Amino acid sequence: DAGITQSPRYKITETGRQVTLMCHQTWSHSYMFWYRQDLGHGLRLIYYSAAADITDKGEVPDGYVVSRSKTENFPLTLESATRSQTSVYFCASSKQDFSYNEQFFGPGTRLTVL
Amino acid sequence: KNQVEQSPQSLIILEGKNCTLQCNYTVSPFSNLRWYKQDTGRGPVSLTIMTFSENTKSNGRYTATLDADTKQSSLHITASQLSDSASYICVAYGGATNKLIFGTGTLLAVQP
Repeated sequence: DAGITQSPRYKITETGRQVTLMCHQTWSHSYMFWYRQDLGHGLRLIYYSAAADITDKGEVPDGYVVSRSKTENFPLTLESATRSQTSVYFCASSKQDFSYNEQFFGPGTRLTVL
Repeated sequence: KNQVEQSPQSLIILEGKNCTLQCNYTVSPFSNLRWYKQDTGRGPVSLTIMTFSENTKSNGRYTATLDADTKQSSLHITASQLSDSASYICVAYGGATNKLIFGTGTLLAVQP
């Protein structure tokens, strides 16, 4: 049971380049989320998806694009990476109605933008 | 403003000792409160979820309490182990738009 996986685990890129972070879950959870975690801040929601082909903005969506063509995959794309997007990115999933159900987090992707 | 504040920011205790971590939230309307454990280099893992009607919930050596009147929660760790060294994150669910609001965490170090 793989659960929820992220790739790559580490990525170094340069300012202006496009980067895609992958997230895959094997539970068929309806909801999927992308967060970023920075020192001094709690986890901040970038985008979330309630189901395939349904996505919505979170707290800090600027500079990011998501898609969800299949229930199990939720890639996050940085269209033109900036240094301020250096962070640790976590993908998470949750059953229907995450208002009470717990979120399951992936291992994270550490992204450095030079 | 909906927010979650945790204290202390960091804590060092000796193996075998107990400790209590604090969480104050200003989320309205309030639905539930969660505690997560995050080991270094890993994603958060859920410890407990409590609704506004629950006062206490345990998960092994972890016991969370909730006082919805004072908007405070605590996480008590009993007989600490080296593996308890981690960041503990408090999360409140609620607000006008029903969001998860994350605290910045308490970094716990358990020393032998």
